[in-house]
Amino acid sequence: EVQLVESGGDLVQPGGSLRLSCAASGFTFSNYWMSWVRQAPGQGLQWVANITPNGGQKYYVDSVKGRFTISRDNAKNSLFLQMTSLRDEDTAVYFCARIPCTGGSCYYDFWGQGTLVTVSS
Amino acid sequence: DIQMTQSPSSLSASVGDRVSITCRASQGINIYLAWFQQRPGKAPKSLIYDASTLQSGVPSRFSGSGSGTDFTLTISSLQPEDSATYFCQQFVSYPYTFGQGTKLEIK
Repeated sequence: EVQLVESGGDLVQPGGSLRLSCAASGFTFSNYWMSWVRQAPGQGLQWVANITPNGGQKYYVDSVKGRFTISRDNAKNSLFLQMTSLRDEDTAVYFCARIPCTGGSCYYDFWGQGTLVTVSS
Repeated sequence: DIQMTQSPSSLSASVGDRVSITCRASQGINIYLAWFQQRPGKAPKSLIYDASTLQSGVPSRFSGSGSGTDFTLTISSLQPEDSATYFCQQFVSYPYTFGQGTKLEIK
């Protein structure tokens, strides 16, 4: 059974840092693109970042470029999101999600339950 | 960025009804469109990708259609457990973008 379990969410002051983790199980982690998606309270979904299976390529939404870093440890079946210079508008539930790629199509299939990041003084 | 616009923003329907939700992209996205269901306080659940391909385990009453800029999610016979918010998403180019959501209520 595919499982994605996020952790690391917390209350942090503006300008602070936080590292989110996503523990993967039930599949060959190193074969898949992975992603972070966030959802501000009462709002819709926003894509944050993607990473290729070997970690060699990373993609970010403009609003987090230079502040957030996506990474992975395939030996530990783990995905990470290092967040720095946090702002109020980064307050959200952060989901990790798996991305299978078949042919020219890459899409989400499984999602974690999310971890809450609150940025507030 | 590609803008995704869903309509309606909310709707109410009865068990057994046929329901459709529309998603329009601000530019052509071929068939690179996905649909998700999200119940309150829960993670999104992937329903459909490539505009019309059902994810494994998704009931056959869900279907998707469209290509280019206009897409539709249809629930053929509404069930009580379908009460949720539905989102579309394009994955043809970065940044991936989502529609604002359609809240579906069961009467």
